[in-house]
Amino acid sequence: DVQMTQSPSVMSASVGDRVTITCRASQGISNYLAWFQQKPGEVPKRLISAASSLQSGVPSRFSGSGSGTEFTLTISSLQPEDFATYYCLQHNIYPLTFGQGTKVEIK
Amino acid sequence: EVQLVESGGGLVQPGGSLRLSCAASGFTFSDHYMDWVRQAPGKGLEWVGRARYKAANYTTEYAASVKGRFTISRDDSQNSLYLQMNSLNTEDTAVYYCVRTAAGTPYDPLGVWGQGTLVTVSS
Repeated sequence: DVQMTQSPSVMSASVGDRVTITCRASQGISNYLAWFQQKPGEVPKRLISAASSLQSGVPSRFSGSGSGTEFTLTISSLQPEDFATYYCLQHNIYPLTFGQGTKVEIK
Repeated sequence: EVQLVESGGGLVQPGGSLRLSCAASGFTFSDHYMDWVRQAPGKGLEWVGRARYKAANYTTEYAASVKGRFTISRDDSQNSLYLQMNSLNTEDTAVYYCVRTAAGTPYDPLGVWGQGTLVTVSS
């Protein structure tokens, strides 16, 4: 299976901070990488697909980059509604695998 | 409005079985792959499996943790997806989400999620 390793697992940040989350794949997955946001008690929501394509309605402060084995999700200026857990997903090779999640907490 | 509504969750004893259903509406169900994703209490997301559409012969894929115990099926005439779960154990306790994946493009995975249904395996 393709192992997806996210870092950090938890991070504390303040409103207005630039936040970067990394996801590393144990083997190359081209750009078959998506990012999801999940707030407590809510259903996961896809933010980005194809590693860098922002979903309709997602604020432009979110961006994704990478290809192959290393990917990043960046929030350019953290807003109060962005405090959540973020997951990466590889969908190049079965079984699909998620990263373990990165919880972004209020500093 | 695109909607996925899961049902069938509940409390089941270890070794028991349960069948989850997912009713789809607001889109052409038969044009999409459909997935199940689960989330154990306080834990991360785990992909369970996928049912492809008719053009792909309704083939399925599974995570290793459920292969041989779980079966995914679909009924396009009823716009419904199913998850038959057998030989359940406590590690299967989770919220189970029904999720839509586009079939016409490789870059539209897990785009629409249901609200989930809770399965609790306990004696």
